[in-house]
Amino acid sequence: GAVVSQHPSWVICKSGTSVKIECRSLDFQATTMFWYRQFPKQSLMLMATSNEGSKATYEQGVEKDKFLINHASLTLSTLTVTSAHPEDSSFYICSAPIPGTTYEQYFGPGTRLTVT
Amino acid sequence: EDQVTQSPEALRLQEGESSSLNCSYTVSGLRGLFWYRQDPGKGPEFLFTLYSAGEEKEKERLKATLTKKESFLHITAPKPEDSATYLCAVRVHAGSGNTPLVFGKGTRLSVIA
Repeated sequence: GAVVSQHPSWVICKSGTSVKIECRSLDFQATTMFWYRQFPKQSLMLMATSNEGSKATYEQGVEKDKFLINHASLTLSTLTVTSAHPEDSSFYICSAPIPGTTYEQYFGPGTRLTVT
Repeated sequence: EDQVTQSPEALRLQEGESSSLNCSYTVSGLRGLFWYRQDPGKGPEFLFTLYSAGEEKEKERLKATLTKKESFLHITAPKPEDSATYLCAVRVHAGSGNTPLVFGKGTRLSVIA
């Protein structure tokens, strides 16, 4: 069945560097993908909506210049955390709507980011 | 503001001890309520979608129900492998097309053998 993958599954970076996270839809096309962030024992919080061929839509309080989103193809969206700081350490998860369903979504396995 | 509240925050059950998880919501226009299972360090795994009050869905030991203000996830005779965090989410009306989900904080379920 349709699957959403993420790469890398975990990454450790130094403060001030940038990190790119990929989200791919396998076996289906996704014109829209969603990026969520999850802190320990907290729920998933929507960061932004990624739209193929157009600018992403960011949620209130999410810095678009810090969290760069690119949705260059129908199967790939990337999230780049620029000038990362320790407070950016979190679990980042992407999702994509399931073709043929009304509102259901597949979620990726997540990327654990640790900024030292 | 759209809100999703789950209770209890954590639940510990003996194997075979049935129970229910609650998800209450206050949204401006519900367009689906979703239940997901999340294991530690992994993304959410889809379980059910409910669209209208009175609707019920079942999958193995799990049964989800929906009223106008809340949803229940009933777990019958749970096994240790049912241990996970169960997330409730809603989709609210925001025009046409795909829109994101609003999640509750989840219920951490532990089933002890």
